[in-house]
Amino acid sequence: DAGVTQSPTHLIKTRGQQVTLRCSPKSGHDTVSWYQQALGQGPQFIFQYYEEEERQRGNFPDRFSGHQFPNYSSELNVNALLLGDSALYLCASSLGLAGGGETQYFGPGTRLLVL
Amino acid sequence: SQQGEEDPQALSIQEGENATMNCSYKTSINNLQWYRQNSGRGLVHLILIRSNEREKHSGRLRVTLDTSKKSSSLLITASRAADTASYFCATDSLSRIYNQGGKLIFGQGTELSVKP
Repeated sequence: DAGVTQSPTHLIKTRGQQVTLRCSPKSGHDTVSWYQQALGQGPQFIFQYYEEEERQRGNFPDRFSGHQFPNYSSELNVNALLLGDSALYLCASSLGLAGGGETQYFGPGTRLLVL
Repeated sequence: SQQGEEDPQALSIQEGENATMNCSYKTSINNLQWYRQNSGRGLVHLILIRSNEREKHSGRLRVTLDTSKKSSSLLITASRAADTASYFCATDSLSRIYNQGGKLIFGQGTELSVKP
């Protein structure tokens, strides 16, 4: 039973560039959430995708956008990269919209460094 | 914004001792979850406790939830060197707009060091 997978594991970009991160959810899961974790901090919620739509969004600018595909995998896109976007980006998957509270399973993350 | 506040920020103990970490939060919740993170990698889910539960056990882990005080604690008994990691609490509340959960709000974590 495959867990949550993310690619790439590491990425180095320069300011102003654009980046795309990818996530495949745990088998049987249909909801994907993205989090940003700066060094020494707890993860911060970016947005959540279900049925190929963005359902909830955290306090992140429009430079952060996403997409969910019919097979439930997801992409996170960040445009016009800033130095402050350097962080570990985590993807989490769950089943349904977690109205009653469902466990979220996290992938290993993509470490992005912006120079 | 961070909802959960973990206490202490860092904890150092000897193998075999118990470790207790506390978490406080601000708003009403659906559930509270505890995660472990090793060396800045992915988060490993430890336990989920719902708002109508007061205590939950899983192996050497014991979690309590006091919704009146908006606080939770994680107890790791008979700690091992392999328990060395950062521990985070995360709260899940229902979205007012979509009447759904899934937006986890994390605290800053407790860094646990277990010395052999």
